[in-house]
Amino acid sequence: GNSVTQMEGPVTLSEEAFLTINCTYTATGYPSLFWYVQYPGEGLQLLLKATKADDKGSNKGFEATYRKETTSFHLEKGSVQVSDSAVYFCALSRSSGSARQLTFGSGTQLTVLP
Amino acid sequence: GAVVSQHPSWVICKSGTSVKIECRSLDFQATTMFWYRQFPKQSLMLMATSNEGSKATYEQGVEKDKFLINHASLTLSTLTVTSAHPEDSSFYICSARDQTSGIYQNIQYFGAGTRLSVL
Repeated sequence: GNSVTQMEGPVTLSEEAFLTINCTYTATGYPSLFWYVQYPGEGLQLLLKATKADDKGSNKGFEATYRKETTSFHLEKGSVQVSDSAVYFCALSRSSGSARQLTFGSGTQLTVLP
Repeated sequence: GAVVSQHPSWVICKSGTSVKIECRSLDFQATTMFWYRQFPKQSLMLMATSNEGSKATYEQGVEKDKFLINHASLTLSTLTVTSAHPEDSSFYICSARDQTSGIYQNIQYFGAGTRLSVL
């Protein structure tokens, strides 16, 4: 079946540090890949997405590239801010079936210190 | 971007009572909505897929009679936790799929979640 494996947290960084959160997946077919962010007490917000191999999703300084050869979709940001502190979820969606359900990774807690 | 409103954001109830949670897509139509449960510091567990005008599809291990789902319109799905017990206390999150997003997009927009505490 489909699954998503994320780097375990928590991750603590100083402001302006470089961020990488690893994400690998197992899926049949050609899934779409997503990163969602959850701020404290809130629901999930779509951060970025990629729908095919070699696509790069980007938003708010975050980037992730769909690597089919390594089945990975690592999240990166060159310079994190305190406001980036949140939980980050990697997810994939099945390419078949009408429901297009999302499968989530376990989430990675990021804390950025001033 | 699209907005999904979930209400209430927090509810406390007595054991044995029922609680209804609403999920509304405010500026788009959603034939499909999803209900998730999230335990502290854990990922989202899909409970069921809610389809407008038809019965919901429940994930394995989720009690249909315990978690009643109704999706009566293209913008509203409700989850009713019947005869709630303390073990049902959790964070419940809904999402709505924008049906215009196409086969490969699957953009789901999430509500802010409902924290249920059963005493």
